Amino acid sequence: SQQGEEDPQALSIQEGENATMNCSYKTSINNLQWYRQNSGRGLVHLILIRSNEREKHSGRLRVTLDTSKKSSSLLITASRAADTASYFCATDDYGQNFVFGPGTRLSVLP
Amino acid sequence: GAVVSQHPSWVICKSGTSVKIECRSLDFQATTMFWYRQFPKQSLMLMATSNEGSKATYEQGVEKDKFLINHASLTLSTLTVTSAHPEDSSFYICSAHQGSEQYFGPGTRLTVT
Repeated sequence: SQQGEEDPQALSIQEGENATMNCSYKTSINNLQWYRQNSGRGLVHLILIRSNEREKHSGRLRVTLDTSKKSSSLLITASRAADTASYFCATDDYGQNFVFGPGTRLSVLP
Repeated sequence: GAVVSQHPSWVICKSGTSVKIECRSLDFQATTMFWYRQFPKQSLMLMATSNEGSKATYEQGVEKDKFLINHASLTLSTLTVTSAHPEDSSFYICSAHQGSEQYFGPGTRLTVT
């Protein structure tokens, strides 16, 4: 069963603003990954954060992980129209399988 | 970085026919590959785990006789949608592991008319 759940389901912001998406999960995890999916395209891996890490940065992306709350957040700073996409978190529960949440649809308006 | 390819990228077929989708790991070997399905505006749903040299493991609710999976080599897994129906129209994505990361193919859009 899916355990990653993102919120909000949809987010609309103006270009230049920051976008924050959250992901919650239910069981212990080995790592958590964030992906982006442009409409009709495959997933693009953004960032992986391991269970012993609390924060990671990659360019304009910042991911935090709180294992006590079983939650993660993805922050996109200074958003651009090209950031418009669906964003998914996926958890690896020590198996070889990743479970995806329903995703957040981000719209960045020019 | 590791690359996973899928072929075809899109396919249109008539109801009742079968369609084969290939998933290849281009620069690494993958003993395990995964097949996902995504309906419009929904998240990916794992369909099955493809294991090289053995039978695939299907998720609950996925018909193994309808979605045939063959993992013939360490770099190739195929998904065959047999007797396709319009409700099988979807975006099919495969993935393969390398280390602790999972790499996804670009997806195959199947439309059954």
